[in-house]
Amino acid sequence: GAVVSQHPSWVICKSGTSVKIECRSLDFQATTMFWYRQFPKQSLMLMATSNEGSKATYEQGVEKDKFLINHASLTLSTLTVTSAHPEDSSFYICSAFKREGRHNEQFFGPGTRLTVL
Amino acid sequence: GQQVMQIPQYQHVQEGEDFTTYCNSSTTLSNIQWYKQRPGGHPVFLIQLVKSGEVKKQKRLTFQFGEAKKNSSLHITATQTTDVGTYFCAGRDSNYQLIWGAGTKLIIKP
Repeated sequence: GAVVSQHPSWVICKSGTSVKIECRSLDFQATTMFWYRQFPKQSLMLMATSNEGSKATYEQGVEKDKFLINHASLTLSTLTVTSAHPEDSSFYICSAFKREGRHNEQFFGPGTRLTVL
Repeated sequence: GQQVMQIPQYQHVQEGEDFTTYCNSSTTLSNIQWYKQRPGGHPVFLIQLVKSGEVKKQKRLTFQFGEAKKNSSLHITATQTTDVGTYFCAGRDSNYQLIWGAGTKLIIKP
């Protein structure tokens, strides 16, 4: 099946630094990718929808200047957490939407664990 | 690499029939999570299983985690139209990564 990768798988950074997380669809093109945040034993909280070649659509309450999303190609979307603070520590998951005619599927990345000291 | 195989890909049932989806991992998992995604929606966390051989129930849903912590199942008794959607398992490996199953789509026959 289709594969979505994320890099890095985990990162520890100091407060005030910026962290970039990459999401790649390895064997298909994804015009749409989603970024989620997950707290332990909780649902995936949708942060934003990333569309190739256009601005991301952010969910209510998510600061677009804080969480910069760039979907530069059909196989790559990046999430940059700017000026990270300890409260940004979380598990970030991306997913990529694969469209094949009438058949659509969503594939999830393995996640990135961010710890801000 | 590590994989979680989820079967079947689709299951068509009459309303009132039971439904089961299975996940098998190539490696031992720290825990396994189950999610439900309604058409057009985003995954909703259902449960997390941690212990070997664990069985948990949520009303008509029964979740099992195998003794070797490599397989898991979700069983729905007497399906209802509200159960329609795609059910995903996601295993957590020793590096805290989530390894997702491809999902099983539950379709209720009219």
